[in-house]
Amino acid sequence: QQQVKQSPQSLIVQKGGISIINCAYENTAFDYFPWYQQFPGKGPALLIAIRPDVSEKKEGRFTISFNKSAKQFSLHIMDSQPGDSATYFCAARPVTGGGNKLTFGTGTQLKVEL
Amino acid sequence: DVKVTQSSRYLVKRTGEKVFLECVQDMDHENMFWYRQDPGLGLRLIYFSYDVKMKEKGDIPEGYSVSREKKERFSLILESASTNQTSMYLCASKVGGRSYEQYFGPGTRLTVT
Repeated sequence: QQQVKQSPQSLIVQKGGISIINCAYENTAFDYFPWYQQFPGKGPALLIAIRPDVSEKKEGRFTISFNKSAKQFSLHIMDSQPGDSATYFCAARPVTGGGNKLTFGTGTQLKVEL
Repeated sequence: DVKVTQSSRYLVKRTGEKVFLECVQDMDHENMFWYRQDPGLGLRLIYFSYDVKMKEKGDIPEGYSVSREKKERFSLILESASTNQTSMYLCASKVGGRSYEQYFGPGTRLTVT
């Protein structure tokens, strides 16, 4: 079974700090790596995504870094704010299967303190 | 905006009961999904439907079945609920093809006692 491993499980960051969440995958049969953000009481929503031929993608305070040789990718949240407190899931889209499914990581609960 | 609605936010059922969780999307999406979310385990796919009356097992289909009689509606059925099915259930939908963006409903917190 294809897997995506995510760490840490939980993270506490001070306001203004950098939040870093890491993911690793076990094979090369993925072609897109999205991140989803979930606020309490809500379903996850797409935050940002990256292709494996790009090493970095930035959208506002959110940046994905991708290391294809190490099979690792990470989400950096710059100048973290209390409103960023949420659960974050990394995901990977398998090349096979018509592109319909995603394999999700186990999630990281981020808390940004004042 | 895409809207995915789930019939209940909270549900309490007894062991052995038959449970129906309903999901409706309003964007004419071809694909619909049922996941369960548990702490430390992330989002695990139970079933996937790529068209009306078409379904595919996900990673944890045991103890569950699904029904998709209309394009906008996807139901998850627990034939005989058990306590280990206590969880948060999330429905999602997306357009057909290789889009990686799934739109999620708010979830149903099911407790089986």
